[in-house]
Amino acid sequence: EAAVTQSPRNKVAVTGGKVTLSCNQTNNHNNMYWYRQDTGHGLRLIHYSYGAGSTEKGDIPDGYKASRPSQENFSLILELATPSQTSVYFCASGGQGAHEQYFGPGTRLTVL
Amino acid sequence: QQNVQQSPESLIVPEGARTSLNCTFSDSASQYFWWYRQHSGKAPKALMSIFSNGEKEEGRFTIHLNKASLHFSLHIRDSQPSDSALYLCAVKGSGTYQRFGTGTKLQVVP
Repeated sequence: EAAVTQSPRNKVAVTGGKVTLSCNQTNNHNNMYWYRQDTGHGLRLIHYSYGAGSTEKGDIPDGYKASRPSQENFSLILELATPSQTSVYFCASGGQGAHEQYFGPGTRLTVL
Repeated sequence: QQNVQQSPESLIVPEGARTSLNCTFSDSASQYFWWYRQHSGKAPKALMSIFSNGEKEEGRFTIHLNKASLHFSLHIRDSQPSDSALYLCAVKGSGTYQRFGTGTKLQVVP
């Protein structure tokens, strides 16, 4: 079974603070993704990566940065967190083309 | 930009019923189509996929795809309470990644 883990699972941050969400996959997949999930919006793609050293903007990248230092690890960085970034964040990994994505358990982020 | 829409937003059905969930997309060059299922508080998990026009059946689940109509659907036969979840469709078009719909929340009541 493909394995994707995320840390932390829950995070409370203050407005203006820096937040880093981490993701690790042991599937040896080239592609990794960061989504946020809000009621009524489904899963929206923030950033994705094709491999170590690469990051690409998804549909809603504003206010977020990403880092892919290795095949296994992909981080999402909120330099200046805002209350509008309160959400559940999912990381996923996947192969090329027709391959499905495998999701981590999610991180619930609250920005006060 | 690919636009993926799902209907209905929510659905309550009795145990044993046949359930139909719908997904429409805007990019006629779309190639790959998935349904994901997400139980409450859990991660989404791929349920079924289809890559060519027609029908695909796996157990109680069937996918129909009609690319000309920009529509695909998921049908659940003999719905069970364990099927209660958020169902997300996903489409990969001419772009580089899948886009997800907003989801249909299904509740199956005994």
